[in-house]
Amino acid sequence: AQTVTQSQPEMSVQEAETVTLSCTYDTSESNYYLFWYKQPPSRQMILVIRQEAYKQQNATENRFSVNFQKAAKSFSLKISDSQLGDTAMYFCASVIIQGAQKLVFGQGTRLTINP
Amino acid sequence: GAVVSQHPSWVICKSGTSVKIECRSLDFQATTMFWYRQFPKQSLMLMATSNEGSKATYEQGVEKDKFLINHASLTLSTLTVTSAHPEDSSFYICSAREPSLDQPQHFGDGTRLSIL
Repeated sequence: AQTVTQSQPEMSVQEAETVTLSCTYDTSESNYYLFWYKQPPSRQMILVIRQEAYKQQNATENRFSVNFQKAAKSFSLKISDSQLGDTAMYFCASVIIQGAQKLVFGQGTRLTINP
Repeated sequence: GAVVSQHPSWVICKSGTSVKIECRSLDFQATTMFWYRQFPKQSLMLMATSNEGSKATYEQGVEKDKFLINHASLTLSTLTVTSAHPEDSSFYICSAREPSLDQPQHFGDGTRLSIL
């Protein structure tokens, strides 16, 4: 069974600061992907970044980067130079690359960027 | 990029009526679609996996007779909330996966359902 845990229900930082959101996961499978999704007040689900488990290099997308620690089953998201538009719920998720490929989501972290 | 269209975005109806929500993949064929429910300030909860041409697979605790899913074509899945009651009020989101093994899911914009 897959589980994803986000232990920070809420976080708040000042604009332009760097913030790190934590995520741990558990799976017995070897072929899986990890994701961070952003859900702004509009409630759209927006893919922020994806990490393939077989890749050692941490994924980066502009101001967003991850720290993927496979042995520790940790997958944190770092947002650099935070902007007001980054205010949203952030969900960590995992998927096993076989069968139905169901996404399993964490509980979410509500991030507020203050001006 | 791949787009998933979900309709309607917001529906208000009386208790006892049935409500149909559509999920369409606009530029790819989706053999598998997923239906989620999200309560306020909570995470997405998978309700069922919709498979084209076959019966949906429901998650434990989800009433299949209450939430009817039909995936009659490679681009359309529908969720019908039958005899809806106020406790069915929620935000429902669909997603669709491209056929390639490692493609991510693409999400619709969601449907806010309010039962009076």
